[in-house]
Amino acid sequence: NAGVTQTPKFQVLKTGQSMTLQCAQDMNHEYMSWYRQDPGMGLRLIHYSVGAGITDQGEVPNGYNVSRSTTEDFPLRLLSAAPSQTSVYFCASSWGAGTGELFFGEGSRLTVL
Amino acid sequence: SQQGEEDPQALSIQEGENATMNCSYKTSINNLQWYRQNSGRGLVHLILIRSNEREKHSGRLRVTLDTSKKSSSLLITASRAADTASYFCATVHRDNYGQNFVFGPGTRLSVLP
Repeated sequence: NAGVTQTPKFQVLKTGQSMTLQCAQDMNHEYMSWYRQDPGMGLRLIHYSVGAGITDQGEVPNGYNVSRSTTEDFPLRLLSAAPSQTSVYFCASSWGAGTGELFFGEGSRLTVL
Repeated sequence: SQQGEEDPQALSIQEGENATMNCSYKTSINNLQWYRQNSGRGLVHLILIRSNEREKHSGRLRVTLDTSKKSSSLLITASRAADTASYFCATVHRDNYGQNFVFGPGTRLSVLP
């Protein structure tokens, strides 16, 4: 079982570059979300989606875009990378709108120079 | 912020001892969940306790919830070196789209052999 798959695992960008972090789940989960994890800050919600075509902002959405065209995929786009976006990014999914447990990917470590 | 706060930030114990971690939060919740994260990996769900429950057990884990004090505790009994990890509480709140998760900064547990 693949579960939640994130790519790439590591990425180095220069300031101003754009990129997309990919997230795919094979569990037919309605709910998908993106978090960033910084030392001492826990996980902070960037964007989430409760189903195909529906997205909403979390706690720290600035500088990021998302879309949900299919149930399986929830890509996170960095429009113009900044050093403050250096972080570890986690995608997570769940049945329904957060009514059960979250299943996490293994993370994508992003460094912006 | 609705963020939960774990206490202590770090805990070091000997193998065989019990480990207790606490979580406090600020607003009403639907449920509270505990997750574990091994170094460099994604988070893994441990246990969920609903707002109308006071105590729950799963193997060596015991979780309590006191909604009047807005706090929860996670007890790991007879700890093992393999329990070394960071532990996060996540409070699940209602929002416009249903429910959403808010994570605390975590407790880093070290179990010494």
